[in-house]
Amino acid sequence: DAGVIQSPRHEVTEMGQEVTLRCKPISGHDYLFWYRQTMMRGLELLIYFNNNVPIDDSGMPEDRFSAKMPNASFSTLKIQPSEPRDSAVYFCASSLTSGAITDTQYFGPGTRLTVL
Amino acid sequence: QKEVEQNSGPLSVPEGAIASLNCTYSDRGSQSFFWYRQYSGKSPELIMSIYSNGDKEDGRFTAQLNKASQYVSLLIRDSQPSDSATYLCAFFSAGYALNFGKGTSLLVTP
Repeated sequence: DAGVIQSPRHEVTEMGQEVTLRCKPISGHDYLFWYRQTMMRGLELLIYFNNNVPIDDSGMPEDRFSAKMPNASFSTLKIQPSEPRDSAVYFCASSLTSGAITDTQYFGPGTRLTVL
Repeated sequence: QKEVEQNSGPLSVPEGAIASLNCTYSDRGSQSFFWYRQYSGKSPELIMSIYSNGDKEDGRFTAQLNKASQYVSLLIRDSQPSDSATYLCAFFSAGYALNFGKGTSLLVTP
């Protein structure tokens, strides 16, 4: 398997622009997670899906952020409008199950977002 | 607020020594605990998981869990320069998502 795929790997944009991050989870995984990582706050969960349904979006910072999972093999995280404080590395991860000791979350390579 | 506390480091150990990484957590309902390793510029990868009190060994790695003290640790024996990375502690609480600490930076010097 190719692992979790994310695109783009790097994104530089200007404040106010719309940013769309993409993720393809590992085939057969029922859970998909979006994380954001910064030096100050570490790795934060933004939202996660189970079988394409959003389960918990309490980590989404504000209405400027939205996430969708239209099918089992694709998810997007959108920021509109983007702000400099959104600059971070955004990771997508997937797992077969979640909540059990046997769970392994597999992370994608991340998207490094810079908002100028 | 479910919190995971880790010393940010850097923790510096000489090659061949034992590296000891520690983590405390606030949620007494936590059941499963994980250690992820993250190399600079890379994504986290799972190296150990533990849910029972005591020790769990896997090669050079040993995870230790003490639920009464809300404490989990990771020991790396015979540390190698390739072990230099940030180690993230994480746990499941009542939900189905992991809570991560900010990580401890480990530097193994030749």
